[in-house]
Amino acid sequence: EAEVAQSPRYKITEKSQAVAFWCDPISGHATLYWYRQILGQGPELLVQFQDESVVDDSQLPKDRFSAERLKGVDSTLKIQPAELGDSAMYLCASSLGYFNEQFFGPGTRLTVL
Amino acid sequence: TQLLEQSPQFLSIQEGENLTVYCNSSSVFSSLQWYRQEPGEGPVLLVTVVTGGEVKKLKRLTFQFGDARKDSSLHITAAQPGDTGLYLCAALFSGNTPLVFGKGTRLSVIA
Repeated sequence: EAEVAQSPRYKITEKSQAVAFWCDPISGHATLYWYRQILGQGPELLVQFQDESVVDDSQLPKDRFSAERLKGVDSTLKIQPAELGDSAMYLCASSLGYFNEQFFGPGTRLTVL
Repeated sequence: TQLLEQSPQFLSIQEGENLTVYCNSSSVFSSLQWYRQEPGEGPVLLVTVVTGGEVKKLKRLTFQFGDARKDSSLHITAAQPGDTGLYLCAALFSGNTPLVFGKGTRLSVIA
């Protein structure tokens, strides 16, 4: 069964360091999403790609966060520098298209010390 | 900003009991999804409802979409410990808005 892959599963870093997360969506899915989920909350969208293009990054803190999907397949989300408040689960999801069902990966649990 | 409110926030019940959790908004949904998320994992899609008044069943789970398309409920019959998890509703509102998630209901079923 096709799945969304994410790595690493866990990341511990010190504040002011740089971190990067990787996501490989389900093959053929044109739309890719990065969400942040703080403990006790629902996921919140950070950025959405359609193929290699960003279609929504209105909630992405652009002073420290960046995301790319260069070839329209896998994607990287980077935080530089990390802050204590960035500790959260970072989830990647993909879908065939914008209004299609989203399938989530297992997430990366980030802890910033 | 469209918001989804889920209730209750926490629910702890004994195995075999029935329960209902709710998802409400002041705005009309174009579609609504229910997910279950286990600790340390990503959400897993349970069902999508798109038609007002629609009822869908998935084994012991019954999902209902309100007639006015502003609310939904999830009913679990004879809950089992394996039902334990965070139940999230997520809605697409009219227009090109992204999927909006509620904060979830954390269910604990005790054997």
